[in-house]
Amino acid sequence: EVQVLESGGGLVQAGGSLRLSCAASGFTFTSYAINWVRQAPGKGLEWVSVISGSGGSTNYADSVKGRFTISRDNSKNTLYLQMNSLRAEDTAVYYCAKGSYSSGIFDSWGQGTLVTVSS
Amino acid sequence: DIQMTQSPSSLSAYVGDRVTITCQASQDIRKYLNWYQQKPGKAPKVLIYDASNLETGVPSRFSGSGSGTDFTFTISRLQPEDIGTYYCQQYDNFPYTFGQGTKLEIK
Repeated sequence: EVQVLESGGGLVQAGGSLRLSCAASGFTFTSYAINWVRQAPGKGLEWVSVISGSGGSTNYADSVKGRFTISRDNSKNTLYLQMNSLRAEDTAVYYCAKGSYSSGIFDSWGQGTLVTVSS
Repeated sequence: DIQMTQSPSSLSAYVGDRVTITCQASQDIRKYLNWYQQKPGKAPKVLIYDASNLETGVPSRFSGSGSGTDFTFTISRLQPEDIGTYYCQQYDNFPYTFGQGTKLEIK
């Protein structure tokens, strides 16, 4: 069974940093791109970032470019999101979402981890 | 960025009704459009990918159609468990973008 499980969320002050993790199992980790998608309280979904299966290719939403860094450790089947210079508007539930045959089809999602940025 | 406009923002229907949601892209996205269902307090789940392909395990009452800029999502006979919020999402270009969501309720 495919599973992705996020961790690392919490309360942080504006300007601070946080690193999220996403542990994956049940599939060949290196074969699939994985995304981060977030959802602010009571709001819709916002795509944040994607990394290819090899880790050699990444993309970011403009809203986080230069502040967030996506990475993966294929030896540990784990995805990361390093979040720096956090702002109040980064407050959201952060989901990791596995790509399907294309990185842009999100076929398995974790339960999410809440990041709260206090101003 | 490609803007995705969903309509309506909310709707209420009876069990057994046919329900239709539309999604319009601000530019041609070919077939690269997915539909997700999100139930309260849960992660989203993909229902339809590439505009019209039913994800494995998803009931056949769900369907999608369209290409280019105009897309439609349909529930042929609404069931009580279909309540939630539905989102379209394009992946033709980065950044991937979602519609604003359609909240579906049962009358």
